[in-house]
Amino acid sequence: QVQLVQSGPEVKKPGASVKVSCKPSGYTFSDFYIHWVRQAPGQGLEWMGWINPKRGDTHSAQKFQGRVSMTGDPSVSTAYMELRGLRSDDTAVYYCARRDARSPFFRFDFWGQGSLVTVSS
Amino acid sequence: AIQMTQSPSSLSASVGDTVTITCRASQDITNDLGWYQQKPGKAPNVLIYAASKLENGVPSRFSGSGSGTDFTLTISSLQPEDFATYSCLQTYSYPYTFGQGTKLDLK
Repeated sequence: QVQLVQSGPEVKKPGASVKVSCKPSGYTFSDFYIHWVRQAPGQGLEWMGWINPKRGDTHSAQKFQGRVSMTGDPSVSTAYMELRGLRSDDTAVYYCARRDARSPFFRFDFWGQGSLVTVSS
Repeated sequence: AIQMTQSPSSLSASVGDTVTITCRASQDITNDLGWYQQKPGKAPNVLIYAASKLENGVPSRFSGSGSGTDFTLTISSLQPEDFATYSCLQTYSYPYTFGQGTKLDLK
């Protein structure tokens, strides 16, 4: 069955970087885009960007450009999201979700369990 | 960025009720809209995509409608497991944006 398993919780100081991993299983890694979505405590969902694991191309929301890197390692079928220059308002649960780019319809049909990143001095 | 205004922000209802949640986009997004359900401490789950298409395995009491700027999610005959937070997501243009969410709780 399809699963996306994410890395565990992290606590970081302001200014540091964090790298969250997302390891899908149950399907061919390169067939689905991986998107990243975050949710600050008690807040709504915020889309961050995507990576195409097949070609390695990415797109991130302008808000995060310059601070975020989305990468994929096909050899271990894992996607990564690195966020640099962490601030307290980056404290959130970070989710990965897959999207079938071959489909004319857009939907996130499977999600990771979420990775809590806490930024605190 | 396209703003998604979702209403109401919270809603109290009883088992068996029918409820409607709306999302209004700040510009025409054709039918590039999905609805997601989220329970506390869990990742969201897709209910509806392309404004009105029911995701496989989602009960038929969930339905979506709308196009352009105005969209609705209707839940008929509420079941106990439906009490959750619902969010819309536009994927018409970057950055993709979610509504702020509607928390549906038991009256």
